Parts: sequence; structure tokens; C-alpha cells
Amino acid sequence: EIVLTQSPGTLSLSLGERATLSCRASQSVSSNYLAWFQQKPGQAPRLLIYGASIRATGIPDRFSGSGSGTDFTLTISRLEPEDFAVYYCQNYGGSPPWTFGQGTKVEVK
Amino acid sequence: EVQLVESGGHLVQPGGSLRLSCAASGFTFTDFSMNWVRQAPGKGLEWVSYISSRSSDIFYADSVKGRFTISRDNAKNSLFLQMNSLRVEDTAVYYCARDNGYLSFDFWGQGSLVTVSS
Repeated sequence: EIVLTQSPGTLSLSLGERATLSCRASQSVSSNYLAWFQQKPGQAPRLLIYGASIRATGIPDRFSGSGSGTDFTLTISRLEPEDFAVYYCQNYGGSPPWTFGQGTKVEVK
Repeated sequence: EVQLVESGGHLVQPGGSLRLSCAASGFTFTDFSMNWVRQAPGKGLEWVSYISSRSSDIFYADSVKGRFTISRDNAKNSLFLQMNSLRVEDTAVYYCARDNGYLSFDFWGQGSLVTVSS
């Protein structure tokens, strides 16, 4: 089982600032099958990034993903009010279980 | 428009059973594998189970193996999760999610709350 560790646990930032979220895997993620999700209170997760760096349909270009192997990053270039939420990375390649990180909360400073 | 609507969640006693349903619309259900993912109150996401488009491949998380059964009815565009021998730690919102291969879990339902308590 691939364990995903996200850091930091909480990120306190202001509107317009840049957010950098990290996701580290316990072993190499198969073919970069690494996704990022956004979740707001009371809502289902929303797919932001798949294949480590490909934005899902309708996702603004201020969201970008990078990385390979065991180290991945989600960057939000300029925080908008609707971006304050919890973000999860997910390994969905290879054999199950397809694991999630524990989440990073982006909150208003 | 893709829609996934879960139902069937409610309060159940430890050791009891429950069957969740997920009604799919807006896409060709038989073209996609499906998953159940759960989220305990205040906690993160946990993948629970997977079923391929024709039900030929089925997988479970170790935490539910032997107690939960995933199934689907392609004629009715529906996904199910039969949950037996429920434990307090199974308390969670259960989401069904469409599996789009390399595009990961691209659509999710709104979730159904299962509470296991005496």
C-alpha cells in the first residue's frame, strides 16, 4: 500500500497569495497516477488535477500540479476567496488500495 | 450532465446491516468502473471498494473485506454497497465516485450518511 503524506497540515494565507501544497509517497506512484481534489465543508470532493499535472475540465489555470515518482506539488498561484478549502492528493495507479493523503487545509490568515 | 445520487444511509446499531444505492445518470453507465469512498466525521477520505464496468473485477479495502459487498445493475444504472456486521468505526459519509481511468475519480455523488451507534 502506498502511503501519502501531505504537508503542511494547515496553510494560513491571504487573498492573492501563492499556496504550495506537498504530497510525498512512500513508494513511486505508478505512471504518475496522482490526483488532487478540493473539498469544501458539506460538499463532495472535486477533481482538480489528474496525471500529476493535468487540469480537469473547468479548473482555472491558477491551479497547477507538478512532480513525479514520490514527490508531488499542488500550486495555487493567487488565492481567490473560493479556494479556501481542504485539498487531498490521491494515488490511483497500480493495484488497490487507492489511497488518499490526510489533507491540507488552506485557511484565511 | 453527469449525476450520481446516493441513498440508503441512516442510523443502525452495531452488528446491523444496511444497503446503499447510487443512481447514475447523464453518462453511459456501462462504460465506467465505479467506486465507493467514505469519510468519517471530521476525517479524511478512505477508498472502500471498486467494481469494473461488467462486474468482472471487484476490490475492497482491508477494513471492510468480508463484511461489505459491492454490486451494480447496469440495466438500472445503479451501484450498490451491501454493508453487514457494521461497526461504530464504519460511521461515515459514503460517496459513490465514477472511475475514469487515467482521469481518476472524476465525478462524485453528494454522499449518504451512515451512523453506527447503539
